[in-house]
Amino acid sequence: DGGITQSPKYLFRKEGQNVTLSCEQNLNHDAMYWYRQDPGQGLRLIYYSQIVNDFQKGDIAEGYSVSREKKESFPLTVTSAQKNPTAFYLCASSILAGDNEQFFGPGTRLTVL
Amino acid sequence: AQSVSQHNHHVILSEAASLELGCNYSYGGTVNLFWYVQYPGQHLQLLLKYFSGDPLVKGIKGFEAEFIKSKFSFNLRKPSVQWSDTAEYFCALNTGGFKTIFGAGTRLFVKA
Repeated sequence: DGGITQSPKYLFRKEGQNVTLSCEQNLNHDAMYWYRQDPGQGLRLIYYSQIVNDFQKGDIAEGYSVSREKKESFPLTVTSAQKNPTAFYLCASSILAGDNEQFFGPGTRLTVL
Repeated sequence: AQSVSQHNHHVILSEAASLELGCNYSYGGTVNLFWYVQYPGQHLQLLLKYFSGDPLVKGIKGFEAEFIKSKFSFNLRKPSVQWSDTAEYFCALNTGGFKTIFGAGTRLFVKA
């Protein structure tokens, strides 16, 4: 059953701690993306990766970091430098460039206390 | 800068009513346009997309959208909504690269 998995579904962390959100896909897609979804603001692009070992900053990359060591995996680290990390985080993938349909994971809701 | 504007943040309709959700974008060149839907508790998924050709695009579950280049619009329509259409709808713009710009979303609630 192909798709994108994100874990965990809910995550709580204390302020000042780094936290890593998992994203795995078995769709054999080259491109992967991380978005942040806040109420009334839609989805904003944090980072994207076109291919293994390559990634680019999106519109709101400050305070976040990513890696792409394997085609299937694109973990996102929310660092202590991110000023407002509490949000819903969505991972997505697509076959090629962004003009293709993106497939989304179920999301991780991060709450920083 | 590229942007997407969705006119209504919340829409409430009764079953069988007609639906039109507005979407306008700002970009002067060739565009690819999408509507995505997020049903309660489910993944965000593609409803329909426009790349080129016929400006009237049909999607899943009876939805359609019309691309009007002169108005920079891509409104979503459905003649008769059902309770199961209750969801959040996102309009999105891509201009050929890896960045897709999403609108703020419209929450639709359909009363049974």
